Amino acid sequence: DAKTTQPTSMDCAEGRAANLPCNHSTISGNEYVYWYRQIHSQGPQYIIHGLKNNETNEMASLIITEDRKSSTLILPHATLRDTAVYYCIVRVGSNTGKLIFGQGTTLQVKP
Amino acid sequence: DAGVIQSPRHEVTEMGQEVTLRCKPISGHNSLFWYRQTMMRGLELLIYFNNNVPIDDSGMPEDRFSAKMPNASFSTLKIQPSEPRDSAVYFCASSSGHSPLHFGNGTRLTVT
Repeated sequence: DAKTTQPTSMDCAEGRAANLPCNHSTISGNEYVYWYRQIHSQGPQYIIHGLKNNETNEMASLIITEDRKSSTLILPHATLRDTAVYYCIVRVGSNTGKLIFGQGTTLQVKP
Repeated sequence: DAGVIQSPRHEVTEMGQEVTLRCKPISGHNSLFWYRQTMMRGLELLIYFNNNVPIDDSGMPEDRFSAKMPNASFSTLKIQPSEPRDSAVYFCASSSGHSPLHFGNGTRLTVT
């Protein structure tokens, strides 16, 4: 199973872009990169996912390197409500739905 | 859509008692997942179902834990007998095919 490596914690100023990196050097060709976040005492919330192309939705952008060994989640204008633990996950297998969570990055957005 | 619904939100019980956690997945979703979260171990996948059939229960800690999905709209996770080390937040999630997982707000279990 492909594993991911994320920094333990990051700070970001309110209103600035938050760039959260993730390394997944052992990812295989049919595995997607998923990002979730968990705000204190709530269930994890889906943010975005991608295979090889960059993706954007109303919450964030996902930039995946050409060799797919790393990716960056971008929150374009971070707010205090974006303070959370952010998980980068490589989906295990092509026909299963299960997600294996690592320790994630704790993002602290500061005023 | 009401999302994934879990009950109860909080459960406090004494060691040795049976505990049953309940989950109602999003209508139309055919995959259901049970996770456990603790400070020490983070989010752990316990078991997941596809089309009501258990696919992978390798994360179930021991025989005291059991999960069922009698139909597409209901699942239970049972612990019997419960122990203090079972104290955690238990999350249920559902999805359809390869779509993202949607999580409930969890059940916080405290075993004294």
